[in-house]
Amino acid sequence: QKEVEQDPGPLSVPEGAIVSLNCTYSNSAFQYFMWYRQYSRKGPELLMYTYSSGNKEDGRFTAQVDKSSKYISLFIRDSQPSDSATYLCAMSSGGSNYKLTFGKGTLLTVNP
Amino acid sequence: DSGVTQTPKHLITATGQRVTLRCSPRSGDLSVYWYQQSLDQGLQFLIQYYNGEERAKGNILERFSAQQFPDLHSELNLSSLELGDSALYFCASSISPTNEKLFFGSGTQLSVL
Repeated sequence: QKEVEQDPGPLSVPEGAIVSLNCTYSNSAFQYFMWYRQYSRKGPELLMYTYSSGNKEDGRFTAQVDKSSKYISLFIRDSQPSDSATYLCAMSSGGSNYKLTFGKGTLLTVNP
Repeated sequence: DSGVTQTPKHLITATGQRVTLRCSPRSGDLSVYWYQQSLDQGLQFLIQYYNGEERAKGNILERFSAQQFPDLHSELNLSSLELGDSALYFCASSISPTNEKLFFGSGTQLSVL
């Protein structure tokens, strides 16, 4: 079983839809959870950063972490064509042993 | 713009050759990371340097090596290249070695023919 599993999609939605992206993980030591957005031919950029369980909201984006289920989600409200990108979840256990483990990414297309 | 600069953007070479990828971190960042991204494996962590010293190693092949120089720029050397080494190579930087908030460069697309 991979440490981090992410549905690769592709996911295609109409403009204005609510998008739900998810990752599951197996390592219970993970404490830091991130979502990166990667546009075509660009490097990933940090979108959301969460520590431990709970929700975090930033504009149209909401990140949720459920450590008991080892499940994280990213919700995008009122999706826009400019949200079309690959979304990668990432997580780490923190501390002195750095290791950031990424999911393979979900390709999202928002159609105008 | 993340502030992380990678050169070259594209590299085409032949099997058996050696190439060097270069990265300049964001101003003030001491930690540099190298990642390899391929369609089947996703983003794979290769190696991390902090202030000139190797900090952590991931899935880096013995044919690959890296270093971070006193001016904090980093180079990733890939030798005895194989077809399977074709991938996007990203450099990222962060302020501290345990900071998970990474800033990525635009990557170097390596094609081994």
